[in-house]
Amino acid sequence: AQKITQTQPGMFVQEKEAVTLDCTYDTSDPSYGLFWYKQPSSGEMIFLIYQGSYDQQNATEGRYSLNFQKARKSANLVISASQLGDSAMYFCAMREGTDKLIFGTGTRLQVFP
Amino acid sequence: NAGVTQTPKFRILKIGQSMTLQCTQDMNHNYMYWYRQDPGMGLKLIYYSVGAGITDKGEVPNGYNVSRSTTEDFPLRLELAAPSQTSVYFCASSARDSQMGGYTFGSGTRLTVV
Repeated sequence: AQKITQTQPGMFVQEKEAVTLDCTYDTSDPSYGLFWYKQPSSGEMIFLIYQGSYDQQNATEGRYSLNFQKARKSANLVISASQLGDSAMYFCAMREGTDKLIFGTGTRLQVFP
Repeated sequence: NAGVTQTPKFRILKIGQSMTLQCTQDMNHNYMYWYRQDPGMGLKLIYYSVGAGITDKGEVPNGYNVSRSTTEDFPLRLELAAPSQTSVYFCASSARDSQMGGYTFGSGTRLTVV
């Protein structure tokens, strides 16, 4: 069974609009962490935002926020005021137990003017 | 701050050849990982290590070997290269309490097996 599921292979958004990238996860471990990474065409992995399973508040980092719905096991990334430079692959990942980081298959976001 | 350094950045191998992908980190991180990323796909965990002398298999370990003789180094060995191993390989490291983006990735090694 997939531990991390990203159901949107590709998304389009107009510049300055907000976009939500979906992520659902599966774990029975009460302690886990959820991450979002950005991978531009240059290939490096850029950390965006983190949410711990015990965190009460949704994480925010600048234009990025994580919509954490624990009961639904979802951790969607919201990017506000999209910019052309946001065009990239976005990966959701989960750490559980022994500190392995497991990735989803990614969503390719394209921002158009 | 060097972070995680991977060498080489690019390599072409012939089927059946062997090679070692090098990974070094200078952050004194206990945990180190090797991932592969096939075109258009996510990262899959090959092997990981929680400290010197300790290694364990990830999701896709077949065809690879690792060792962890020091905290800093975590080389990945391909013994008999196959076309299915054509991929981009990422090394990463993290501290024991790896929250808040505490995973640091190397810049990747693009490997082609022909």
